[in-house]
Amino acid sequence: DSGVTQTPKHLITATGQRVTLRCSPRSGDLSVYWYQQSLDQGLQFLIQYYNGEERAKGNILERFSAQQFPDLHSELNLSSLELGDSALYFCASSGIAGNTGELFFGEGSRLTVL
Amino acid sequence: AQSVAQPEDQVNVAEGNPLTVKCTYSVSGNPYLFWYVQYPNRGLQFLLKYITGDNLVKGSYGFEAEFNKSQTSFHLKKPSALVSDSALYFCAVRDKVGSGNTGKLIFGQGTTLQVKP
Repeated sequence: DSGVTQTPKHLITATGQRVTLRCSPRSGDLSVYWYQQSLDQGLQFLIQYYNGEERAKGNILERFSAQQFPDLHSELNLSSLELGDSALYFCASSGIAGNTGELFFGEGSRLTVL
Repeated sequence: AQSVAQPEDQVNVAEGNPLTVKCTYSVSGNPYLFWYVQYPNRGLQFLLKYITGDNLVKGSYGFEAEFNKSQTSFHLKKPSALVSDSALYFCAVRDKVGSGNTGKLIFGQGTTLQVKP
């Protein structure tokens, strides 16, 4: 158990809809990272937050947004969903932004868009 | 830009034989390198990392990795493979912006390890 909790584990929805994925980092970790894993794109970095502020941005679509709350949990919002958004979405956390330590990953949220 | 490459989509090995999963990197400055394993329908689990020091790094579950600066490689190894080692393995490098680290990891495409009894 990594200590990173993601909900929901599975989500099935229709095109055009909006979903919210939630992540609770390890106790004490200030940084949260979101990754998308799909068969054709591999593991793609989406966005990073550190203590409530956006720290780095990757290949995140404009239809997607994220935030980190004062209690350090984070949410990834996906809107106007398309079939191609079907993927496994991972959240990871680490102690200090920019340190040399490893990231700790949650079990992921599997999104299926029909 | 920092990047890693895993040249093999799949590696097959017989149980009890040594295994190697290859990774090469391209970075500016000193690399911070990682290996993760992903079992079906699970998250990524950290195996080991190289930051500095000894070129041979020991990690979880009997895995080790050898950092080779001249060959820009960081291959994952295990002396005796188990069927339970069958999984998807990712090599990763920590990203850098200017002289600092952003914290995020950049992953290779992954290598499926199949260990047959």
